Amino acid sequence: EAEVAQSPRYKITEKSQAVAFWCDPISGHATLYWYRQILGQGPELLVQFQDESVVDDSQLPKDRFSAERLKGVDSTLKIQPAELGDSAMYLCASSLYGAGSYNEQFFGPGTRLTVL
Amino acid sequence: DAKTTQPTSMDCAEGRAANLPCNHSTISGNEYVYWYRQIHSQGPQYIIHGLKNNETNEMASLIITEDRKSSTLILPHATLRDTAVYYCIVSALTGANSKLTFGKGITLSVRP
Repeated sequence: EAEVAQSPRYKITEKSQAVAFWCDPISGHATLYWYRQILGQGPELLVQFQDESVVDDSQLPKDRFSAERLKGVDSTLKIQPAELGDSAMYLCASSLYGAGSYNEQFFGPGTRLTVL
Repeated sequence: DAKTTQPTSMDCAEGRAANLPCNHSTISGNEYVYWYRQIHSQGPQYIIHGLKNNETNEMASLIITEDRKSSTLILPHATLRDTAVYYCIVSALTGANSKLTFGKGITLSVRP
């Protein structure tokens, strides 16, 4: 069964350092999402891509976070510089279609980030 | 803010039906009700969704009240592997309300 791949699974970094997370969605899925999940909370959408275009990044802290999906396939989420409050699980999800038709989101296992 | 209200936690015995309630009194006519669950240390998993009719699939049943202000997810024969956080979400297909907004969910504990 096809799955969303994420790496690394765990990342420990010191504050002010740069970190990057990678996501490979299910093949053929046009829409890709990055979520952040703080312990004890539900996931919060950071950015949504339709193919290579950003369709929603309203909750992305753009002063330190960036995301790209250059060829409309895999994606990278970067944080520079990392802050203590960035410690969280970063989840990637993909879906077959975009807005206008329901399609379930498939989530990856996430990257657990700890900022010291 | 999440547009749904769920109890914080509940438990049920293995083999019994688990009925998970959700209130969504401000749901709009074009918004669907979705349920996802998240097993510990994994990403969320889609369970089921519906607009106004009751729905059933291999995982669960979704019962939506006639006024659509509340719903119940039913796991007919809960197993230990159903222990997870269950999220009830309302979302439209298009527009500003089309993204999944997760609340804190309800923690279901299935006991042996």
